[in-house]
Amino acid sequence: GAVVSQHPSRVICKSGTSVKIECRSLDFQATTMFWYRQFPKKSLMLMATSNEGSKATYEQGVEKDKFLINHASLTLSTLTVTSAHPEDSSFYICSAREGSRVGNTIYFGEGSWLTVV
Amino acid sequence: SQQGEEDPQALSIQEGENATMNCSYKTSINNLQWYRQNSGRGLVHLILIRSNEREKHSGRLRVTLDTSKKSSSLLITASRAADTASYFCATDDTQKLVFGQGTRLTINP
Repeated sequence: GAVVSQHPSRVICKSGTSVKIECRSLDFQATTMFWYRQFPKKSLMLMATSNEGSKATYEQGVEKDKFLINHASLTLSTLTVTSAHPEDSSFYICSAREGSRVGNTIYFGEGSWLTVV
Repeated sequence: SQQGEEDPQALSIQEGENATMNCSYKTSINNLQWYRQNSGRGLVHLILIRSNEREKHSGRLRVTLDTSKKSSSLLITASRAADTASYFCATDDTQKLVFGQGTRLTINP
């Protein structure tokens, strides 16, 4: 089946620094990728939708200057948490839609645990 | 943003019993998907049901969709301890995939 790779799986960074999380579709082209944030024992909150070659669409309440999303190719999207603070510590998950058709399955990465100290 | 409610929020049953989880949503959809998540891990896609479908089966899974009531259900038959996980429905409205609150399922041996 289709595979989405997310890296790093765990990262610890100091407060005030920036950290980048990568999301790659390994065996398919992903026109659209989604980034989610998940707090412990909670559901996934959609942060933004990114389409290859265009600016990401952010959900209400998500700071676009803090959570920079780049979707430079059909197989790679990155989320950069800028000037990270302890409250940004969370589980971040990316997903990718196979192809461009809406009904196509969406595959998820394994997630990235971010801890800001 | 969240689509709506899933119920129950938590479900604990004995191994071998059937587990039913429900999901309600608010907007028009193209399809609805069910996912499973083990604690601290990524999501595993279970099944996708399109808006023009009413029922779908995959192994021990049975999913129904009622677009008039904007609701879906996931039935897991003959549950196993390994089915213990959180289950989420997600609606695809052509622009984005939005998740419900999830059901935490515990299967007791």
